[in-house]
Amino acid sequence: AQSVTQPDIHITVSEGASLELRCNYSYGATPYLFWYVQSPGQGLQLLLKYFSGDTLVQGIKGFEAEFKRSQSSFNLRKPSVHWSDAAEYFCAVAPSQGGSEKLVFGKGTKLTVNP
Amino acid sequence: EAQVTQNPRYLITVTGKKLTVTCSQNMNHEYMSWYRQDPGLGLRQIYYSMNVEVTDKGDVPEGYKVSRKEKRNFPLILESPSPNQTSLYFCASSLGVAGPHKYFGPGTRLTVL
Repeated sequence: AQSVTQPDIHITVSEGASLELRCNYSYGATPYLFWYVQSPGQGLQLLLKYFSGDTLVQGIKGFEAEFKRSQSSFNLRKPSVHWSDAAEYFCAVAPSQGGSEKLVFGKGTKLTVNP
Repeated sequence: EAQVTQNPRYLITVTGKKLTVTCSQNMNHEYMSWYRQDPGLGLRQIYYSMNVEVTDKGDVPEGYKVSRKEKRNFPLILESPSPNQTSLYFCASSLGVAGPHKYFGPGTRLTVL
């Protein structure tokens, strides 16, 4: 069964600092990969997705993620964090061979941004 | 405006009293899902639907029912709610099989006493 691991439950960074959130997945083949953000009291918003092709994908709000097949990872990055980025971030995977409606989420990483 | 709506947003009920949480999308999406979110567990899929009258179980379907009689609506039914179903529930929809669930509803916070 596919699974997603986000090793960091909580990360704190200073505003303007760079950010990297880790995501590792377990799946037999290369799945579809996603990052979502959830602001306090809100639903989830899709940041970016990887289906195939270029392993570095650009998303909204200045985020990017890099797919590394050898490490089964899909880490999220941002060069300079803004206070408004404080939120919870979820990595998710779905099978690429049909069944992509069956999204499996990691447990999330909560990001705190210090002024 | 493209959106997924859920009602109610907040609900406090008692054990055993049947309830329905409605979900509606205005994007003519084929795929809809229900998730529950619990602290430390992330989001877990309850049920999903690939089209009208086509539904299937997700990872945590026990204690829940769904129906998909119309494309736009995907209600979640708790026939006999129990305290372990206290959670934050999200409905989501997407256009096709290769699309992620791009649109999430605002969430329904359910408390079962």
